[in-house]
Amino acid sequence: DQQVKQNSPSLSVQEGRISILNCDYTNSMFDYFLWYKKYPAEGPTFLISISSIKDKNEDGRFTVFLNKSAKHLSLHIVPSQPGDSAVYFCAAIPGSTLGRLYFGRGTQLTVWP
Amino acid sequence: DVKVTQSSRYLVKRTGEKVFLECVQDMDHENMFWYRQDPGLGLRLIYFSYDVKMKEKGDIPEGYSVSREKKERFSLILESASTNQTSMYLCASHGTSGQQYFGPGTRLTVT
Repeated sequence: DQQVKQNSPSLSVQEGRISILNCDYTNSMFDYFLWYKKYPAEGPTFLISISSIKDKNEDGRFTVFLNKSAKHLSLHIVPSQPGDSAVYFCAAIPGSTLGRLYFGRGTQLTVWP
Repeated sequence: DVKVTQSSRYLVKRTGEKVFLECVQDMDHENMFWYRQDPGLGLRLIYFSYDVKMKEKGDIPEGYSVSREKKERFSLILESASTNQTSMYLCASHGTSGQQYFGPGTRLTVT
């Protein structure tokens, strides 16, 4: 059973606009959340993370929002650029962990000029 | 920078062959992981290891085994390759921060 869900398999956004990628989770033991970006034929690369004690974390054009009561997080990319076109994976770690991440199935973001 | 390397970028094997995928990390990380990525299914955990000679099953361990004889090296073994094991295989290592560092992946085709 998927504990981390990305319900939109794809998202298409015009360059310069905001991209919003969503992620829901079911396990209340998750206390650290990450976003990874993956280009074809490459390994995923870490993008941004957020601890459950925060509700927002920013890094340049990327902001992650966490709503614990709704078990929902989102990644905002502003402004979107064509180079942002990739698959984005949401991931979560439970409090007692050996480092195991639980991944969503990914959202393919396409940014068009 | 953390570096995770995988022995091959592309591999083609025949059904029934024994296949070894090697992964090496250079940051003295305790934890290492093997995933496979398939379209629409995301990243699925096959096995992970939190110490030398230790291993834990992930979500889809059937048909696979692993070996961790040295801290920096984690091997994935397909005992008898089958066509449904055609996939992208990704190795990762994990330090004290929350994030995992991934290798470039091995695209395995079993014919």
